[in-house]
Amino acid sequence: SAVISQKPSRDICQRGTSLTIQCQVDSQVTMMFWYRQQPGQSLTLIATANQGSEATYESGFVIDKFPISRPNLTFSTLTVSNMSPEDSSIYLCSVPGLLSEQYFGPGTRLTVT
Amino acid sequence: ELKVEQNPLFLSMQEGKNYTIYCNYSTTSDRLYWYRQDPGKSLESLFVLLSNGAVKQEGRLMASLDTKARLSTLHITAAVHDLSATYFCAVNFMDSNYQLIWGAGTKLIIKP
Repeated sequence: SAVISQKPSRDICQRGTSLTIQCQVDSQVTMMFWYRQQPGQSLTLIATANQGSEATYESGFVIDKFPISRPNLTFSTLTVSNMSPEDSSIYLCSVPGLLSEQYFGPGTRLTVT
Repeated sequence: ELKVEQNPLFLSMQEGKNYTIYCNYSTTSDRLYWYRQDPGKSLESLFVLLSNGAVKQEGRLMASLDTKARLSTLHITAAVHDLSATYFCAVNFMDSNYQLIWGAGTKLIIKP
């Protein structure tokens, strides 16, 4: 299984600002996923980030709002831009395992005031 | 439409009781996963079910998969307070390129 770290673990941000979340994996992976989990809700996939190509965004998510970088096979960032209170969520990165299961980072708890 | 439905969404039970969480999905798949999430924490993988009739057990939890019925169950035996958490099932549909479709989650509260 992969070991994944995320930074920051939590943050409180003001409306209109941006926050970049980092995700580091202890092994090389082609694919990484970024999820949002709103309070009391299930997981919603934001985008899939493959190294060497543009991220693929799910319906309802756009690159201008959630730009993603994937500079190498162990690292990715997700930026939440021009934040509003509706962006308050837990943001999770994950990577697939050999059996298509996913291993998750500890998450970033974002509160927008 | 790819859909995964869990029920119940909320379950409050007494210690020592047995109960089952159900996970139905909408189309062909032979890969289903169960996760646990404690409040304020990330998701922890519990079971990976890869074929029809698969059964996995860990302590007081047992998961099974019936691909013909498109149904998985997570059975809790003699519940204890430490099992209080939210449980999610997720399905990897054919040709979905490692993406998982998630159920809404079942919030389980076990009262001492």
